[in-house]
Amino acid sequence: SAVISQKPSRDICQRGTSLTIQCQVDSQVTMMFWYRQQPGQSLTLIATANQGSEATYESGFVIDKFPISRPNLTFSTLTVSNMSPEDSSIYLCSEGGINTEAFFGQGTRLTVV
Amino acid sequence: KQEVTQIPAALSVPEGENLVLNCSFTDSAIYNLQWFRQDPGKGLTSLLLIQSSQREQTSGRLNASLDKSSGRSTLYIAASQPGDSATYLCAVSPPSLTFGQGTILTVHP
Repeated sequence: SAVISQKPSRDICQRGTSLTIQCQVDSQVTMMFWYRQQPGQSLTLIATANQGSEATYESGFVIDKFPISRPNLTFSTLTVSNMSPEDSSIYLCSEGGINTEAFFGQGTRLTVV
Repeated sequence: KQEVTQIPAALSVPEGENLVLNCSFTDSAIYNLQWFRQDPGKGLTSLLLIQSSQREQTSGRLNASLDKSSGRSTLYIAASQPGDSATYLCAVSPPSLTFGQGTILTVHP
């Protein structure tokens, strides 16, 4: 089973600023996934990150707002840009899940004030 | 578009009870179904993965079944404990994981 280290675990940010979330996997993986979980809601996929290519974004999510990096097969970052209170959510990274078991990071609890 | 529904939305039981959580999905063309546990404000912990060719999986006090043709899965928790209190999520793939809304379980002493 993969172990994913995600940081920060939580943050309180001012509106208009940006936050970068990091995920480190203990093994090489082809795809990593970024999810958002709004208060009281289930998980929604933001984008799929492949090493060496641009991330693929789901409907309703755009690169300018959620730029993603995937510099190698064990690491990815998600930036939440120009934040507003509506961006307050838990953000999670994962690997696997299409036809294998999925594993998740510990989540980043973001509050925008 | 795949849709996943979990019933009940919340469940409160006394310690020691056996309980069943339900998950249904609209498109039976799945690769696998996975059950997760989420503690408040935290990430997801994988509990059980059932591949489409399988009927059930067991891990300790947990047993998950899958009826792919009818689009249903159940998670059975035996002899529940206060430490089982959490939100339980089911998810199916492909193309990526589609999650249900979860069942909030409270087990009181």
